[in-house]
Amino acid sequence: DADVTQTPRNRITKTGKRIMLECSQTKGHDRMYWYRQDPGLGLRLIYYSFDVKDINKGEISDGYSVSRQAQAKFSLSLESAIPNQTALYFCATSDGGFREQYFGPGTRLTVT
Amino acid sequence: AQSVTQLGSHVSVSEGALVLLRCNYSSSVPPYLFWYVQYPNQGLQLLLKYTSAATLVKGINGFEAEFKKSETSFHLTKPSAHMSDAAEYFCAVTGDDGTSYGKLTFGQGTILTVHP
Repeated sequence: DADVTQTPRNRITKTGKRIMLECSQTKGHDRMYWYRQDPGLGLRLIYYSFDVKDINKGEISDGYSVSRQAQAKFSLSLESAIPNQTALYFCATSDGGFREQYFGPGTRLTVT
Repeated sequence: AQSVTQLGSHVSVSEGALVLLRCNYSSSVPPYLFWYVQYPNQGLQLLLKYTSAATLVKGINGFEAEFKKSETSFHLTKPSAHMSDAAEYFCAVTGDDGTSYGKLTFGQGTILTVHP
């Protein structure tokens, strides 16, 4: 089984709808991250969490919110989806400040 | 603040040819540098990382990268390209400057195409 899983893998939704993307990990890491990937822009950090009680905004947090339900679970919500939130979303985990991050398979979100 | 620039959004090579993907970084503190690979419809996978030990870093699948502080570069190379190397490659940096600790800053990515 994969160490970092994301659900759903693909989602099409309409403008104005609320949507939640979920991430679970079995690596036992404290640190979890949400990124979005857009062609030509690389990956940009949306939110990150260093432990269950620590949530921080990344560089592009507007329009998004997160919830860290447990050490292993980190969810990303779009309260009112808009078309420019169409992107590939990745969850990642890490066990230290300078350690590598481990990525989930991604969720492809399309907002029409 | 830290930043990464990958020169060339697309690189095309013939099978068996040298692969060179360029990465330059900006950091006010000693950097930790990473190369990740993304195969179609998959997440990112770590190729190699530099963490202030040896400046020449060897990774998986025959890739290596050399940290050059004077040039602020961390270019990725492979002596002989294989068809299976076709993917998108990302360079990333982190460091302990207070705001970047525990966070990766990614470059824009380079798509590698390998021709038979």
